[in-house]
Amino acid sequence: DAGVTQSPTHLIKTRGQQVTLRCSPKSGHDTVSWYQQALGQGPQFIFQYYEEEERQRGNFPDRFSGHQFPNYSSELNVNALLLGDSALYLCASSFRLGQAKYEQYFGPGTRLTVT
Amino acid sequence: EDKVVQSPLSLVVHEGDTVTLNCSYEVTNFRSLLWYKQEKKAPTFLFMLTSSGIEKKSGRLSSILDKKELFSILNITATQTGDSAIYLCAASYGQNFVFGPGTRLSVLP
Repeated sequence: DAGVTQSPTHLIKTRGQQVTLRCSPKSGHDTVSWYQQALGQGPQFIFQYYEEEERQRGNFPDRFSGHQFPNYSSELNVNALLLGDSALYLCASSFRLGQAKYEQYFGPGTRLTVT
Repeated sequence: EDKVVQSPLSLVVHEGDTVTLNCSYEVTNFRSLLWYKQEKKAPTFLFMLTSSGIEKKSGRLSSILDKKELFSILNITATQTGDSAIYLCAASYGQNFVFGPGTRLSVLP
């Protein structure tokens, strides 16, 4: 059973560029959440996708956008990159069952460096 | 504003020591408290706690939640160098999670 997978593992971009990160959820999971983890900090919630729609959003600007596909995989897009966007981007998947309590599993992350 | 606080932020112990990591939370519509271990990249799931006073155990690790006082602790007994990692605490509300900054544990041989 494949867990959560993310691609690419590392990425180097220049300020002002755009980037797309990809995530495939754990088998049987239908909800994908994205987090940004800066060095020395805990993960910060970006947004969550379920049924191909953004359901919740954290305190991130509109430069951060996403998408979920019918197979539950997801993309995170960041436009007009800033140096401060350099971080580990984590994808987490879970199974949404009404409002039931549930576990969330993380992918290995994508390390984004903006120069 | 929803927040999770962890203490200490950093801890250095020797193999065989017992450690207690603390997590306090202020979250609207709290549902559960989760602990993760992060060694290099992906945080790996340790425990999910939903009820007060019920200890969860996995080997040398155990955790308990106090929903009245809004905190949780993670205990690690007989620590090993392989326990060196960042331990993250997260409080869930609805379908979302807010994470604490983590406790960086270093276990020296």
